[in-house]
Amino acid sequence: AQKVTQAQTEISVVEKEDVTLDCVYETRDTTYYLFWYKQPPSGELVFLIRRNSFDEQNEISGRYSWNFQKSTSSFNFTITASQVVDSAVYFCALSDFNAGNMLTFGGGTRLMVKP
Amino acid sequence: DAGVIQSPRHEVTEMGQEVTLRCKPISGHNSLFWYRQTMMRGLELLIYFNNNVPIDDSGMPEDRFSAKMPNASFSTLKIQPSEPRDSAVYFCASNDLGSSYNEQFFGPGTRLTVL
Repeated sequence: AQKVTQAQTEISVVEKEDVTLDCVYETRDTTYYLFWYKQPPSGELVFLIRRNSFDEQNEISGRYSWNFQKSTSSFNFTITASQVVDSAVYFCALSDFNAGNMLTFGGGTRLMVKP
Repeated sequence: DAGVIQSPRHEVTEMGQEVTLRCKPISGHNSLFWYRQTMMRGLELLIYFNNNVPIDDSGMPEDRFSAKMPNASFSTLKIQPSEPRDSAVYFCASNDLGSSYNEQFFGPGTRLTVL
C-alpha cells in the first residue's frame, strides 16, 4: 500500500525567509512518481513538479527547489526567499506505476507567509 | 486548450436530493480521475477510468455514489440520495496514459454543500 506523510500541518514564516516542506512516502514498488501540487486560497490544484524513482537529481526552478532522497524515502520542497504569494496549501503525492497513475496525496502543509 | 472543465462550480442541495457532477477531460487524455477533498480526510481518490472503463472504484464511499464515462469527453459523478456528510469539494483530473509525463491536470472543482 502507498502512503504519503506530510508531518507539518501548518508553517508560518515571514517574507524573505527560506522554508522547507517535508514529505515522506511509502511504497513497495521500485517504479513510482512523486509530485508536488500547490493549492492557493482560490482552491485549484496547480502542478509544480514530477520526479520519477530513477532520477534522484535535485531540481531547482527559480525560488523553488526539490530534494529527492530514496534512501530516506523523502521528497522535500524548499522555497527560497518566500513571498506572500507563496501562501497556500502544498500537497505531496505519490503515483505507483502499476496502479494506473492514481495519486495518493499527503495531508498537505499550509504555508502562511507574512509580510 | 481549455483544461479540465467541471460543472457546476458550486452546488447547494438538500439532503435526499440527487446530485450530478460533470467533467470534461482534456482532449486526447485517456485517463480520468474523481477526487474528493474534505477537511477530515484530505484529498482522496474515488474512482478512475482508463479509456472510458472504470478501473478502480474502491474509493467510492458507498452505493449512493456512482460514476460513468459514456465517452472519452464526458464523465459524471452522481450521488443519490445525498447526505450532509457528502459536502466536500469534488475534483476531476485527467492525464495521458501514453505520455512519459503522467502529471494529472485538475479541474477547478465543484464545491458541494448538502443541507
